[in-house]
Amino acid sequence: AQKITQTQPGMFVQEKEAVTLDCTYDTSDPSYGLFWYKQPSSGEMIFLIYQGSYDQQNATEGRYSLNFQKARKSANLVISASQLGDSAMYFCALEGPSGGSNYKLTFGKGTLLTVNP
Amino acid sequence: SQTIHQWPATLVQPVGSPLSLECTVEGTSNPNLYWYRQAAGRGLQLLFYSVGIGQISSEVPQNLSASRPQDRQFILSSKKLLLSDSGFYLCACHSRTNTGELFFGEGSRLTVL
Repeated sequence: AQKITQTQPGMFVQEKEAVTLDCTYDTSDPSYGLFWYKQPSSGEMIFLIYQGSYDQQNATEGRYSLNFQKARKSANLVISASQLGDSAMYFCALEGPSGGSNYKLTFGKGTLLTVNP
Repeated sequence: SQTIHQWPATLVQPVGSPLSLECTVEGTSNPNLYWYRQAAGRGLQLLFYSVGIGQISSEVPQNLSASRPQDRQFILSSKKLLLSDSGFYLCACHSRTNTGELFFGEGSRLTVL
């Protein structure tokens, strides 16, 4: 069974500093993908970044990067140079099962990030 | 590009009343569609997904049902709402991009009183 764990209910960071949001996962699938989403107070889910299990390099997307440690089954999100607009709920998600039409994402409980001025 | 429309955006319903939330998708055909629920301060729980017209898979036993009468229409229903049905309901579509992320609608906030 797919499982995603986000152990930080809330995080605080000063504006312009970097912050790491933790995510660990468990899957028996040899091929999988990991996603991070941002959910502002408006409720919309915004896709941020994706990491495939066979990708050789850690994913990066602007100020977002993913610290992927496959052996430890962790996929932490790093936000550099935090901005006030980064204050939101952040969700890690695991895709599975691989192949076939039954594609779905399993989400963690999320981390509420607050950026202080 | 894909667009997902959900309505109503906000709904307040008494216990025991029926429910119908609608989701329509534009910009793609034969998509996988999903209904997720987010309880207050919690993560997203997958309720139903559909790989085609009339094909519904339920992930958790519950008071809700889903239907897919058309390729790009996904409906979430209940005959009698419970207090525990309150939450934020999100419809999603499997993106056709290389990363294959889920693309979400704006959500429907349901309060059952």
